[in-house]
Order: sequence, then structure tokens, then C-alpha cells
Amino acid sequence: DIQLTQSPSFLSASVGDRVTITCRASQGISTYLAWYQQKPGKAPKLLIYVASTLQSGVPSRFSGRGSGTEFTLTISSLQSEDFATYYCQQLNSYPLSFGGGTKVEIK
Amino acid sequence: QVQLVESGGGVVQPGGSLRLSCAASGFTFSSYGMHWVRQAPGQGLEWVAVISFDGSYKYYADSMKGRFTISRDNSKNTLYLQMDSLRAEDRAVYYCVKEGSTRYYGMGVWGQGTTVTVSS
Repeated sequence: DIQLTQSPSFLSASVGDRVTITCRASQGISTYLAWYQQKPGKAPKLLIYVASTLQSGVPSRFSGRGSGTEFTLTISSLQSEDFATYYCQQLNSYPLSFGGGTKVEIK
Repeated sequence: QVQLVESGGGVVQPGGSLRLSCAASGFTFSSYGMHWVRQAPGQGLEWVAVISFDGSYKYYADSMKGRFTISRDNSKNTLYLQMDSLRAEDRAVYYCVKEGSTRYYGMGVWGQGTTVTVSS
């Protein structure tokens, strides 16, 4: 089974900051990685799939990079509505798996 | 619009059973793979199971294998999760999720979730 390790698990940042979250896979997953945003009490929302493709309607300040075992999600200029928890997910093989999450909070 | 509405959650005793349902609308249900994902209180997301568009294949997370059964009725646009031998650690919000054209495109549509509590 493929394990995903996200870092950091917690991040404190200010509006306007550039933020990068890393996701590492225990084995190569090509580019079959997705990123989700979840706000308290809400279902997750798909942001990016196949590592770097922005889901329709997602602001361009979100971007994703990587392949193989190392991936990043970057928010170029953090907005107030971006304070949330972010998860990566590997879609390469079953069982699918999620990273442990990164909570982005206001500094 | 595309919508997924879960139901069937509730309180059940350890060792008991529960069947969750997910009513789909706004898209051709029989054309898409469907998943269940759960989230324990204050915890991260955990993938539970998948069923192919036609029900021909199913996969489960290791911890649910043999206890949970995913199924679908394409004539009713409904996804199910039969949960048996429930344990305290199965307590979670259970989400019904639609995948993209293939699983590689991620999970683009989520239901609002239904809460399962396992307690004596």
C-alpha cells in the first residue's frame, strides 16, 4: 500500500504570504496525485488533479507540481478564504490513500 | 446540478450493522465509478471503498475488507455501503463521492456526509 506524508502538518501564515505544502509518496505514483481543501464542517473540495491540473473554478493562485514521489501545492498569495485544511491523495493504485493533512491558520 | 445526498447514518451498538445510501442526481450515474470516504471526528480523510460504473469491480481499504460491502443500483441512481461488525473506531462522517471520467481525475463531487456513531 502507498503511504503519503504531508508536511508541515500545521502552518501559520498571513494574508498575502506564499505558502507551499509538500506531499511525499512511499513509492512512485507518476502524476496521479490530487489536492483537496476542506473547511470546518464541510466536505472536501477538489483543487488539483494529475499533480498540476487546476479543477474548473479554482483560483489561479493555487498551483501543483511534482511527479514520482514528491509533490507540492503552492498558494501564491494567501487569501482569507484559503485558511483551511489541505489533503493530498494518491490515485495511482488501490487502496487509494490520503495524506495526513496540513492545517493553514492565520498568523 | 450534480448532487449526492447520503442517508442512513445513526447510532448503532458495537457489532451491529448499518446500511448507508447515496442518491445521485444531475449526471449519468451509470457512467461513473463511485467511492465512499470517511472522516473520524477531528481526524483526516480515509478512503473506504470504490465500485466501478457497472459494479464489475470493487476495492476496499484493508481495515474494512470483509466487514463493509459497497454496491450500486444504476436503475435507482443509488450507491450503498453495507457496514457489518461495526467497531467504535468506525465512528465517522461517511461521504459519498463521484470520481471524474477516470479515477485519475480525482474526486470532484462530494455529498454532505452522513454521521455514523458506534456506541453502547
